[in-house]
Amino acid sequence: AQTVTQSQPEMSVQEAETVTLSCTYDTSENNYYLFWYKQPPSRQMILVIRQEAYKQQNATENRFSVNFQKAAKSFSLKISDSQLGDTAMYFCAFMKLTGTASKLTFGTGTRLQVTL
Amino acid sequence: EAGVAQSPRYKIIEKRQSVAFWCNPISGHATLYWYQQILGQGPKLLIQFQNNGVVDDSQLPKDRFSAERLKGVDSTLKIQPAKLEDSAVYLCASSLEVPGLAGVKDTQYFGPGTRLTVL
Repeated sequence: AQTVTQSQPEMSVQEAETVTLSCTYDTSENNYYLFWYKQPPSRQMILVIRQEAYKQQNATENRFSVNFQKAAKSFSLKISDSQLGDTAMYFCAFMKLTGTASKLTFGTGTRLQVTL
Repeated sequence: EAGVAQSPRYKIIEKRQSVAFWCNPISGHATLYWYQQILGQGPKLLIQFQNNGVVDDSQLPKDRFSAERLKGVDSTLKIQPAKLEDSAVYLCASSLEVPGLAGVKDTQYFGPGTRLTVL
């Protein structure tokens, strides 16, 4: 079974600063996807970024980038130039690629507060 | 492109009552998921459909929860009878997975969720 651990329950960052959210996972799979989702108070889960495990290059999406360390099973999210709209819960999630089932296994989340 | 639609957004019921949630996935998405998110936790998969067939329902409490996706599009999730511990947000998601091709996965897109409170 896969597990996803987010060790930072809450974080705070000032507007325009950079913040890094941590995520580690445990799996015996070799091929998988990793995701970061954002959940604002509206509750809708919004995809932030996706990383395929077979790709060595770290994924980037505008102000969001990841540091994917496959050997260490680490997948951190860096948010640059933080904006007030980035305030939300952030969930790290794992999806294995074998078999027909494709459930996401989520961590417990990190609550990010962006302040003025 | 319209996103995943869910209704209702909020529901309050007494324990032992029944409740049903509805989900309409993104057009063309073959795979549909129902997740349960208890306060303070990440979502947990209840059931996965591919078209109108069940792929994974190992975490669905089948004595009280049921789900169907009759025509391979809309889906309903029902709880009967509800317990206090069923209070949670129920999220529906869909993905453009290729049916029958194991290993071909895709990103899941989520609806706004239904917040259920059982009193």
